[in-house]
Amino acid sequence: GDSVTQMEGPVTLSEEAFLTINCTYTATGYPSLFWYVQYPGEGLQLLLKATKADDKGSNKGFEATYRKETTSFHLEKGSVQVSDSAVYFCALTDRTGGYQKVTFGTGTKLQVIP
Amino acid sequence: DTEVTQTPKHLVMGMTNKKSLKCEQHMGHRAMYWYKQKAKKPPELMFVYSYEKLSINESVPSRFSPECPNSSLLNLHLHALQPEDSALYLCASSQMDQGGNQPQHFGDGTRLSIL
Repeated sequence: GDSVTQMEGPVTLSEEAFLTINCTYTATGYPSLFWYVQYPGEGLQLLLKATKADDKGSNKGFEATYRKETTSFHLEKGSVQVSDSAVYFCALTDRTGGYQKVTFGTGTKLQVIP
Repeated sequence: DTEVTQTPKHLVMGMTNKKSLKCEQHMGHRAMYWYKQKAKKPPELMFVYSYEKLSINESVPSRFSPECPNSSLLNLHLHALQPEDSALYLCASSQMDQGGNQPQHFGDGTRLSIL
C-alpha cells in the first residue's frame, strides 16, 4: 500500500534559519503530494501541493518539489519565523472513486526560537 | 478562519452518555470525512461519505455512528465510549475528483474526553 515517511522531530531552529523537512513516499499509482500544517489547538491546513512530477508547490515562503525519480517531496523555507512553529504533515492522495483518501506521514514538529 | 465548522470545541462525557459531534461546510464539497487524532500522531481516517452515502468505514467500533443528513452536514453519534476514545476528532471535506488532486479542508476539531 501507499506510505509516507518523514523525518523525526522535533526540529528546533533559531529565527531566520533555513528549514528542510524531508519526506519520501511509496505509491503504486500517480499520487498527488501535499504538505499540511497544524498549529497548536487547531485542525490541519493545506500549506502547499503538487499534482505531478517536477511540479513545485509554494506558499508563505515554503516550497516543495515533486521528485518522481527520488520519490521525494521535501519542504523548505529560507528564513523561518517564530510563527512557523507547528507540526508539519507530508501526505499523498492517489486515484480513488472521487473522494480523497489521504495517507499521512507521522508529522514533524518544528519549534522556532527567537 | 476555517471553512469547516465543528461543534462543540470541547466535550467531556461519561462512558454511559450519548452525545453527538457536528460538522458543517458550505463550500459545495460532496465528500466529507471523520478522523480521530491522538496526541503527537497523524489523523486516522474513520469514515468517508461521498454524495451523502457512506463510502468507507475503517473498521470503526459500532459505538461510533456517522450520519450525513445532507450535503452540508456531517454528524458523529457517540454512545458507550471507552477512555481510549479520548482524542481530537476532526472533520474534513473535499471536492470529488477522480485524479486525487483535491486537498481536504479541515475543521478545528472537537476535543473529546471520556471519564
